[in-house]
Amino acid sequence: SQQGEEDPQALSIQEGENATMNCSYKTSINNLQWYRQNSGRGLVHLILIRSNEREKHSGRLRVTLDTSKKSSSLLITASRAADTASYFCATDATTNAGGTSYGKLTFGQGTILTVHP
Amino acid sequence: DSGVTQTPKHLITATGQRVTLRCSPRSGDLSVYWYQQSLDQGLQFLIQYYNGEERAKGNILERFSAQQFPDLHSELNLSSLELGDSALYFCASSVLRDPPRELFFGEGSRLTVL
Repeated sequence: SQQGEEDPQALSIQEGENATMNCSYKTSINNLQWYRQNSGRGLVHLILIRSNEREKHSGRLRVTLDTSKKSSSLLITASRAADTASYFCATDATTNAGGTSYGKLTFGQGTILTVHP
Repeated sequence: DSGVTQTPKHLITATGQRVTLRCSPRSGDLSVYWYQQSLDQGLQFLIQYYNGEERAKGNILERFSAQQFPDLHSELNLSSLELGDSALYFCASSVLRDPPRELFFGEGSRLTVL
């Protein structure tokens, strides 16, 4: 089963609106990352938030992390048609010994975002 | 351009055949990861190598194998192919350090098994 599960599965909005995607996960993590994938292309890293951080910003992106609820959200403000893509959360889980999984990320099923001009 | 190169981009083959997918990581990255992406399973981690050694294994079938060579490029070998192996196979690389950082993905190799 997927460690991260995104919600909603699909989101359709107009240009200029904000888009919010949520991710839930099951185990303790070192960090959580968000990636973007244009149709049939490789994934591109957007932002990383560590387990001891609650919020992070990068340009029009805002990510929050609630480790007590094992959830994260990605907010894209003032969306553009070029933001149309699939967005995935990925978790770097801690090992049983409390260490790192050395970058092995577990991805969710993704949210398909469509921004209409 | 992520700096990760994968070949071939597209591959069509028949059931029972064997194929090799190749990956060159970003310059300086010692760690290589292989992922399989399909419509029904999503993105599944297959295997990770660090500086030539296997570091972590995921949902990789026994028919699949991989290796990382001294020049750090990696190959994923898929044998006795089945229809269900049709998928997009991604290679990613990273600088392995503490704390872990982002993965850089190639454009993928699309495998179609007929």
